[in-house]
Amino acid sequence: GNSVTQMEGPVTLSEEAFLTINCTYTATGYPSLFWYVQYPGEGLQLLLKATKADDKGSNKGFEATYRKETTSFHLEKGSVQVSDSAVYFCALRYLIQGAQKLVFGQGTRLTINP
Amino acid sequence: NAGVTQTPKFRVLKTGQSMTLLCAQDMNHEYMYWYRQDPGMGLRLIHYSVGEGTTAKGEVPDGYNVSRLKKQNFLLGLESAAPSQTSVYFCASSPLRGREATKNIQYFGAGTRLSVL
Repeated sequence: GNSVTQMEGPVTLSEEAFLTINCTYTATGYPSLFWYVQYPGEGLQLLLKATKADDKGSNKGFEATYRKETTSFHLEKGSVQVSDSAVYFCALRYLIQGAQKLVFGQGTRLTINP
Repeated sequence: NAGVTQTPKFRVLKTGQSMTLLCAQDMNHEYMYWYRQDPGMGLRLIHYSVGEGTTAKGEVPDGYNVSRLKKQNFLLGLESAAPSQTSVYFCASSPLRGREATKNIQYFGAGTRLSVL
């Protein structure tokens, strides 16, 4: 089946630190991969995506590369800010019976201290 | 831009009561989804719809019903609420057609926090 596993949180870093949040997946076929971010009190927002192997998604200083050989899509940022504090979800999209569906990881809560 | 709007934002129910959560989107999207979010479990799909008048079960459909009478609205009903349904509920929508950058990306509402006592 399709599943996503993220590193467990919470993760606490100091401002300007380097961030990595690990994400691995299990899927049949070639899914698209996503990172969504949820700020306090809000819904999920798409952060970045990659649709095929070796694609790199990037946005707001965050990056993730679709690694088919290791079935991974790790999220990285070189220098985090307090405003990056949020919950981050890795997800994969697959097609079944004509419908697009997302499978989410359990989420990783990130707190950045000034 | 309103995007995806969920009402209500908060609700407290007693066991056995019923209620309906409303999701409205103004982006003319074909697909709509209802998820629940529980601590340590990410989001799980309850029901979804691929178009007006059609609905289908997701991963955790038991205890919920849905209707999509109009393309822009997707209703989630709890006929007899149970404490296990205490959760945060998110609605999402996505386009079937359009530019590759936006096609099939899901857009989420701000959520409804439901407590069942």
